Parts: sequence; C-alpha cells; structure tokens
Amino acid sequence: DAGVIQSPRHEVTEMGQEVTLRCKPISGHDYLFWYRQTMMRGLELLIYFNNNVPIDDSGMPEDRFSAKMPNASFSTLKIQPSEPRDSAVYFCASRRTSGTYEQYFGPGTRLTVT
Amino acid sequence: DQQVKQNSPSLSVQEGRISILNCDYTNSMFDYFLWYKKYPAEGPTFLISISSIKDKNEDGRFTVFLNKSAKHLSLHIVPSQPGDSAVYFCAASEGRGQNFVFGPGTRLSVLP
Repeated sequence: DAGVIQSPRHEVTEMGQEVTLRCKPISGHDYLFWYRQTMMRGLELLIYFNNNVPIDDSGMPEDRFSAKMPNASFSTLKIQPSEPRDSAVYFCASRRTSGTYEQYFGPGTRLTVT
Repeated sequence: DQQVKQNSPSLSVQEGRISILNCDYTNSMFDYFLWYKKYPAEGPTFLISISSIKDKNEDGRFTVFLNKSAKHLSLHIVPSQPGDSAVYFCAASEGRGQNFVFGPGTRLSVLP
C-alpha cells in the first residue's frame, strides 16, 4: 500500500498568494484529517472528513482557510490569501472506521510564506 | 491551555537501557491514548495505544502505562536502540471521537 500521499512536499510563496495543498488518503480509509504543526502550537487538528463530508472544522484558524474532499481519494487544503504566519508543516492523515483509532500520516507539506 | 503535556522536551538514554517518556493530561474525559513516533521530514507513525479500561498495553519493546487517577501515562522502551531516536508524541481523545489532542513531543536520543 502506498500510504498517504501529499503534494507538494515543499511550497514557498509570497504573502497574498493562494496556496493549495493536496492529499491522497490510503485506499479504503473513510476518515481524512488535516493537521498543522508549528513550533509555537505543536500539532493541531484543523478539520476532518468522514466519507468525504466535513465533520468538524473548528480548528480551521480563519476564513482564509478552506478544505474540500470531492471524492474518497482526494482532498485539498487551500489558503487564500496566504500570510507569513501560515508558515508551518501541514500533515494529512487517514484511517478506517473499524479497528483501532490510529491515524496514518502523510510526509507533510512544508509551507513557507515570505 | 495545553490539555496534553509532555514536560520533558528532550531525553538522552544509553543504548540498551530503558527509555521512559511521560505524558500528563488535564481533561478527565479523555479515555483513549496513542503514542506516535516522528523522524525528521516524515509524518508521525503510530506506535501503541491504550484505552482507559486498561492500565497497561505491551507491544514488543514498547509498553504504555496509564494511571487514570493521576491523569498520567508513560511509554517505556526496553531495550532502547539508536533507531529509536525520534520525537515522540502523546495524543488523547474523548469518547470515540476523532479529535485527538497532541502533546508538544519529547525528543529522544539513544546514544550508542
């Protein structure tokens, strides 16, 4: 199994630009999670989906952030417009409903906003 | 206010000895806990879990202990190996929810 795939691995953009991060969950997993990791706040949950439906977006920092999951194998996290304080590593994770609660994480996207 | 705390930012242990990583939580409703390991430039990988109906769970060299009254859990690695050098995160959730709250992590260095 390929694991959770994220692209790009690194993104450098200028303040004000739109940024789109992409995630392909593990096949058969029906939960998908977006996390952000920063030095100040650690690893924090932004939003999660179940069967492509957003369930809890209370962690999304503000309206500049949006996430979609148009189908079971693809999700995006968009920041528009981006700001320097959005610089962080963004992780996508997935899990299946049955079994233990472990989430499988992708390698992350390191975003730098200058 | 941090609901999950890992008060030791770093820990160094000699190869072959025991590593003990600690985690404290404040929310008494948390009843499911996970430990993750993270290498640089990779995502966290699941290590071991424990639910509040147990006080111990073992998987090979890794054992997690849960003390509900103290709101404390610990991860024991015996024997420690250089490949165990990584950042370890404790995570907790309430009920059967999906919202895991992560601690800040502890960087473990296992010295050869």
